[in-house]
This record gives sequence, structure tokens and C-alpha cells, in this order.
Amino acid sequence: GESVGLHLPTLSVQEGDNSIINCAYSNSASDYFIWYKQESGKGPQFIIDIRSNMDKRQGQRVTVLLNKTVKHLSLQIAATQPGDSAVYFCAESANTGGFKTIFGAGTRLFVKA
Amino acid sequence: NAGVTQTPKFQVLKTGQSMTLQCAQDMNHNSMYWYRQDPGMGLRLIYYSASEGTTDKGEVPNGYNVSRLNKREFSLRLESAAPSQTSVYFCASSEVNSPNYEQYFGPGTRLTVT
Repeated sequence: GESVGLHLPTLSVQEGDNSIINCAYSNSASDYFIWYKQESGKGPQFIIDIRSNMDKRQGQRVTVLLNKTVKHLSLQIAATQPGDSAVYFCAESANTGGFKTIFGAGTRLFVKA
Repeated sequence: NAGVTQTPKFQVLKTGQSMTLQCAQDMNHNSMYWYRQDPGMGLRLIYYSASEGTTDKGEVPNGYNVSRLNKREFSLRLESAAPSQTSVYFCASSEVNSPNYEQYFGPGTRLTVT
């Protein structure tokens, strides 16, 4: 989930298990949501996105679920692998006539071999 | 195709010193952005350039200036560095300046101000 402060929430999963990372967003007017993966020492990398007119979108081994009623977003990673270990964060965007994207603080995923 | 490149990778400054962070992209993107990332916090937008020749303030512009040198390059300048500017700085680019377009990020510059 989201975090404020110095410490990121952490999720530890066994290799091969499924991972679910949660995100609560703040703006009910947000109409586009993105999940990013950030490995240590690297820049964020796009994983998957979803528009507000959808509630589910699937990619390769990843699924994003959107619940607009409670302003909640989740990222599911199937058959988690050691290479999935990273910080994952969500971003929300609203088309308000100008650039407005808000990034969450992130969740650190550890994959145990 | 290198994507988004940033220089330097690491920098240590003393309070009051100035420096320029360089960013270049080879994807022919119109829009470029500078963010900072502090421990336990999400990325915060410093400045962005929707297109060549334009720049606009983001969420945390104080203490920074930017230059969109050409379509490829977007630099961030700290005129008088302060310890509060210790952070990791990321440059990003996107095809157009719309929240619906994916941003591509560089590897980051880790800056320490003592």
C-alpha cells in the first residue's frame, strides 16, 4: 500500500507464489493509472496501465485491478520470480487541462528463493 | 537506442555550489520532465517541458532552473545547492505531454549536498 515517511511497506513472497501489491489513490477525478517497477539503482520502468473506464487489465504475468468506489488499485504478479524483486509504485493522472500525475511512495517486494 | 540518459550518475556538492544535471533522450519525444525522489516518498515533479521551447513549474520548483536546449536535451540547474536538495533526480520523457502517455525514465543522478 501507500506510505508516507521514511519506510516503505514491504511484501515478502516465496518464489512461485502470486504477489498482490495494493495502492490507495487520492483523486476521484483521476482517469489513468500506471504501475511502475523500480529496481535498485535504476529509474522507474512502466509495467502496466489502466484507464478509469476499465476495472481489470492483464499483461504478461501481471494484472491490474481498479476499484473506483473505494479508490483502490492493485497489481497482481503471477508466479513471482527473483527478478521481480523491486519497489513497485502506482501513479494516478487526471486530465485537468494540464500535467498532473501523482506518484505513490511504493511497496518493496522481496522474493525468497 | 539508448532511451533516456543522464549525467552525472553521482555528485557531491558543498552548500552554495552550483551544478547542472544533463538529460538527453533519443526517442524523438516532445515532452520531458525532471523529478526528485526522496526516501519513502513518491516522485515529485520539479519542472517539465511540454515541447521544445516551453518550460513550466511542477510541484517543487524552488531552487531549480531548467533549460530545454533542443528537442533531445533538458537540463536542470541548481544555482546555490542546499542540503535539502540532497536527493535522487530522475529525468523522463514522453511522446506528448498528457497524463495518458507513458513516461520513460533515465537511470537517475544521486546528489548529495553537504
